[in-house]
Amino acid sequence: EAGVAQSPRYKIIEKRQSVAFWCNPISGHATLYWYQQILGQGPKLLIQFQNNGVVDDSQLPKDRFSAERLKGVDSTLKIQPAKLEDSAVYLCASSPGGDSTDTQYFGPGTRLTVL
Amino acid sequence: GQNIDQPTEMTATEGAIVQINCTYQTSGFNGLFWYQQHAGEAPTFLSYNVLDGLEEKGRFSSFLSRSKGYSYLLLKELQMKDSASYLCAVKGAAGNKLTFGGGTRVLVKP
Repeated sequence: EAGVAQSPRYKIIEKRQSVAFWCNPISGHATLYWYQQILGQGPKLLIQFQNNGVVDDSQLPKDRFSAERLKGVDSTLKIQPAKLEDSAVYLCASSPGGDSTDTQYFGPGTRLTVL
Repeated sequence: GQNIDQPTEMTATEGAIVQINCTYQTSGFNGLFWYQQHAGEAPTFLSYNVLDGLEEKGRFSSFLSRSKGYSYLLLKELQMKDSASYLCAVKGAAGNKLTFGGGTRVLVKP
């Protein structure tokens, strides 16, 4: 079974530029998550989708971050404009159905450096 | 909200045992997860506890006490490849949101 795919793996941009990340979850997984992991810290949830609807985006900085999952499969996360403090690894995860026993499976992440 | 605490770093010798503690304060509880994360890689699932007690899975065991808001991950017969960060994560009641601790970096020495 193929795992969670993410691209690009690495991205370097200057502050105030825009960037987009892509995620393809495990086939059949209804729930998709985007996390931000700053070096030396645990992942922090940015947004959770159930199919193509948003379940939780309470920690998403909506003035600069946006995410969509239009057809309930792939998802994109965008930052516009980027700030220095956005330098982090952006992890995508998916789980089968979103119930309490669900295990989340993570992709390899995109390492973003903002200069 | 959720508050999860675990030690920042631990060092142990190859072949030994290490216990990583995790304490949590949550407004709702739907289970506790442990993940392993090697440097530069994605977190990988190790264990899930929702009821009190010990869950054993090979060299790794995880314990949960809901009344104490406490869990530990026990790594036995340590191998060099066990050098990694270990993340404790609690699933809350609302929307099954997973909140992670800061991670414990374990260094295994020969």
